[in-house]
Amino acid sequence: IAGITQAPTSQILAAGRRMTLRCTQDMRHNAMYWYRQDLGLGLRLIHYSNTAGTTGKGEVPDGYSVSRANTDDFPLTLASAVPSQTSVYFCASKQTGTNTGELFFGEGSRLTVL
Amino acid sequence: GENVEQHPSTLSVQEGDSAVIKCTYSDSASNYFPWYKQELGKRPQLIIDIRSNVGEKKDQRIAVTLNKTAKHFSLHITETQPEDSAVYFCAASITDAGNMLTFGGGTRLMVKP
Repeated sequence: IAGITQAPTSQILAAGRRMTLRCTQDMRHNAMYWYRQDLGLGLRLIHYSNTAGTTGKGEVPDGYSVSRANTDDFPLTLASAVPSQTSVYFCASKQTGTNTGELFFGEGSRLTVL
Repeated sequence: GENVEQHPSTLSVQEGDSAVIKCTYSDSASNYFPWYKQELGKRPQLIIDIRSNVGEKKDQRIAVTLNKTAKHFSLHITETQPEDSAVYFCAASITDAGNMLTFGGGTRLMVKP
């Protein structure tokens, strides 16, 4: 089934540990995004990539890094997790240059940093 | 950058009544305004969108209106049903500037049977 897959779905992590959230899409979309969702704050953009080999910073990039080695994969890394990074993380993808503009989301990864 | 404000944060209506959610945006260059619905524990999904060249768009019980002069847009749901209960997010973007969406804070809609 075509779509966007995230892993893990849930993780509890000790502060100071390194963590990578994985995201893979099979729709051949050129653009991919990472959002975090916190209660009352909606979805805030962390990092994005408009095409393989390029990345950019979103609204809340500090403490996170991304890479886009190919079209399908867009991992998000927390180099040294802190409790304020406790959140639900959504990966999303979109084919830019089309009329729809629809953003397709993964199921989310719930991260708790203790 | 773009800033999107969404109101109300929570909305409770009786089944069959209408619900209206309002959003304002700051960047007059924004020209694409989607609405996403997120059911409890699920991913956000697009339900309707509007571009700046039209003032209103309808899809069955859902409609979106846009006022570019005032920089606000609204989601209207008529004849609400319990399955409409969810969190709704508005968003705005400039389609020629990377297509990055800026989301509002969300509205939790509760439809009471």
